Amino acid sequence: NAGVTQTPKFQVLKTGQSMTLQCAQDMNHEYMSWYRQDPGMGLRLIHYSVGAGITDQGEVPNGYNVSRSTTEDFPLRLLSAAPSQTSVYFCASSYSGTGRNGYTFGSGTRLTVV
Amino acid sequence: GQQVMQIPQYQHVQEGEDFTTYCNSSTTLSNIQWYKQRPGGHPVFLIQLVKSGEVKKQKRLTFQFGEAKKNSSLHITATQTTDVGTYFCAGHKGGDYKLSFGAGTTVTVRA
Repeated sequence: NAGVTQTPKFQVLKTGQSMTLQCAQDMNHEYMSWYRQDPGMGLRLIHYSVGAGITDQGEVPNGYNVSRSTTEDFPLRLLSAAPSQTSVYFCASSYSGTGRNGYTFGSGTRLTVV
Repeated sequence: GQQVMQIPQYQHVQEGEDFTTYCNSSTTLSNIQWYKQRPGGHPVFLIQLVKSGEVKKQKRLTFQFGEAKKNSSLHITATQTTDVGTYFCAGHKGGDYKLSFGAGTTVTVRA
């Protein structure tokens, strides 16, 4: 099925551990982004990419790294997990950076850091 | 930085009634988008508004972009149980690729 695929769906980490959240899209979208969603705070932009080889920081980038080696994939790396990073993470993609036709979101990764 | 505020945070509606949720930005936006997220789900794109004063309708949903391109509203008529969820507005500042979201309005419906 066409769309944005995120793995894993659920993850529990211990403080200090590292991990990578995977995101892949098969719609040939140039623009991809990562958001975190916390209760009462909406979605906050972590990092985004306007094309392969190009990434930039969003609103809350600290503690996260990204890379974009292909158009399809945009992994998010947590360097040293902290309880404050407990959240739901969404990957989103769009044909263009201005999202003329809207962003397509993945189903999310629910991360708990203990 | 750009801030997008949404009110109310919660909306409890009797089935069949109308309601409106509002979105306000501290800066002029190049566009405004609206998304719906069902409980336990992910945001789903509803619509984008680009022009000053633009109004668009989708069945019982009416979306409006303010004249100054700093505010927007979503009006739902004859609310149904299928309207349950959280509605987010989001906007781009001119020339910026960052889409900033409001905190959302969570809608519950009393049958």
